[in-house]
Formats: sequence, structure tokens, C-alpha cells
Amino acid sequence: DQQVKQNSPSLSVQEGRISILNCDYTNSMFDYFLWYKKYPAEGPTFLISISSIKDKNEDGRFTVFLNKSAKHLSLHIVPSQPGDSAVYFCAASGGGYSTLTFGKGTMLLVSP
Amino acid sequence: SAVISQKPSRDICQRGTSLTIQCQVDSQVTMMFWYRQQPGQSLTLIATANQGSEATYESGFVIDKFPISRPNLTFSTLTVSNMSPEDSSIYLCSVLEGTGGINQPQHFGDGTRLSIL
Repeated sequence: DQQVKQNSPSLSVQEGRISILNCDYTNSMFDYFLWYKKYPAEGPTFLISISSIKDKNEDGRFTVFLNKSAKHLSLHIVPSQPGDSAVYFCAASGGGYSTLTFGKGTMLLVSP
Repeated sequence: SAVISQKPSRDICQRGTSLTIQCQVDSQVTMMFWYRQQPGQSLTLIATANQGSEATYESGFVIDKFPISRPNLTFSTLTVSNMSPEDSSIYLCSVLEGTGGINQPQHFGDGTRLSIL
């Protein structure tokens, strides 16, 4: 039973355009959500997070949107750059626990 | 953030053997965790490594198969025991810094890529 779902295994975008990565969750106890970026042969790198008291958090080119009623979050990257090509994982925690539940990841390819 | 070093970075092992993976952090951290990423799958939490006491294991993971030590606030080990090809995965250490409270991001090491023949 997957509690965090990333339904798109891959996404291709042209350089300079917007990349939108999506994530859905089922556990209503989740109240903290994170995005990680992972390059091959490296560990996941923390990118941006959002708590359930907010619906938007922005950091430079990266913005995360949270829709609690739909149990959906998305990561927007604007403008996309070739160096953004990586696997992006959505993760969530909640219920007073700091442990993370991950989605399966979306591979983003940004072409020049 | 803390610098996290995992050793070995990769290994190829024979079935039935055991391998111990080390995770060293360059500063004291509140919490340390061990995850597994099987091929094509998401990261799955194996256990929380507790300093000075037994680790807290997630459903589906047991101490006999994945013994964990955490002797201090900067170091932990995960042993994969009696390995079979199904144990071929990436094993990752992560840490929580600061107060280690909720709503804090975990930071990961580069992982150990383990293949069992």
C-alpha cells in the first residue's frame, strides 16, 4: 500500500521551460512534505519542504505547492536547466514521527 | 549541513555472507536512520538507530537480519546478515541535525551499492 505516489516515472522538458513534478499521498496524518533530488551514484539531496500550515513555499527557482484537500503536492522548477536532470523524490512525514515515507521518484530530463 | 560518509561505497558479496556498512558524520546529530532502495523502488526505512540502545525497526525488518549499532552521536553501522540475491540494493544512512524534532529535513549519505551473487 503506497502512501506516497509519484505517478509519472519520467518527464522531459526543454531548457528554460517550467518543470512540474507531481505527488499524491493517502495518509491524512502526513503534515510535512519534502522534495529530494538524486543524481546517479549519489545520495538524495534535500531540495525544499513545506509544512501543512502552508500552501506554498518558494526557494529560488523551486516552488512547492500543497493542496491538502486533494492530498496533492507539486514541485515547480522555473526556468529548468540541464543540470536539473535527475530523479526527484517526494517524501512525507507526520503523526509526530520524523521518519519519512518516499514515493518511487520521477526522472526529469531537461534538454538544451 | 553535516557531512555524511558511508563505507563501503559498493560491494559484491557471496550469498550467505554478511556485510557491515559504516556511517560516519562530521558532527553530532540527534537521529540517524537506515534506508534501503531496491532496484526501481522507492526508499524504504529499515530502522531508526538509537544511541546507546536497540534500534527501532520498521515492519518487515528484524534485528537478526539487519543488526544496527550506534555507539555515539556521530557513528552507526548496519549489518546485512546471511545475504541472498534479494538483498541486492542501495543502503543509505540519513541524519537529523539540530533538535532532531519533527518538520526537519533528513540529510543522506551517498549510499552503499550492494550486489549479492
